[in-house]
Amino acid sequence: AQKITQTQPGMFVQEKEAVTLDCTYDTSDPSYGLFWYKQPSSGEMIFLIYQGSYDQQNATEGRYSLNFQKARKSANLVISASQLGDSAMYFCAMREGRGATNKLIFGTGTLLAVQP
Amino acid sequence: KAGVTQTPRYLIKTRGQQVTLSCSPISGHRSVSWYQQTPGQGLQFLFEYFSETQRNKGNFPGRFSGRQFSNSRSEMNVSTLELGDSALYLCASSLRAADNTGELFFGEGSRLTVL
Repeated sequence: AQKITQTQPGMFVQEKEAVTLDCTYDTSDPSYGLFWYKQPSSGEMIFLIYQGSYDQQNATEGRYSLNFQKARKSANLVISASQLGDSAMYFCAMREGRGATNKLIFGTGTLLAVQP
Repeated sequence: KAGVTQTPRYLIKTRGQQVTLSCSPISGHRSVSWYQQTPGQGLQFLFEYFSETQRNKGNFPGRFSGRQFSNSRSEMNVSTLELGDSALYLCASSLRAADNTGELFFGEGSRLTVL
């Protein structure tokens, strides 16, 4: 079974508009962390935002916010005021708390295209 | 503060050869993990190291191996290369063996092409 599911293979958004990228996860571990990374065509994985399973508030980092709904096991990324430079692949990933590990399980990604 | 550095950035090999990729983590970070990214399989975990010890290994054949040195730099090696090994190999570093703060950063990757 997929542990991280990103159901949107691709999305378009107009510049300056907000966009939500979906991510659902599956784990029985009460302790876990959720990450979002951006991967431009150059290949590097750029860290955007992190949400721990015990964090009470939704994470925010500048124009990025994470809509964390624990009961629904969803961790959607919201990008406000989209910019042309936001065009990239976006990956949701989870680190399960079981054991001392930094192993990440990645979703299949969402390709975001920002249109002028 | 310098980021995660991976070398070489690009390389081309032929089937049957072997390759060594290097990853220098962020200064002070002791955990290094490796991932393979291909269009077909996506991002797959290879292995991770902490303080020179392999902590976890993904489901890859024994041709894939790695190690970590006392300065936390890590290398991965792929022997007897196959066409399917063509991929972007990404390295991530973290301060702790089990990060719970989101401090998990990637390098720019090494893009391997096997002909």
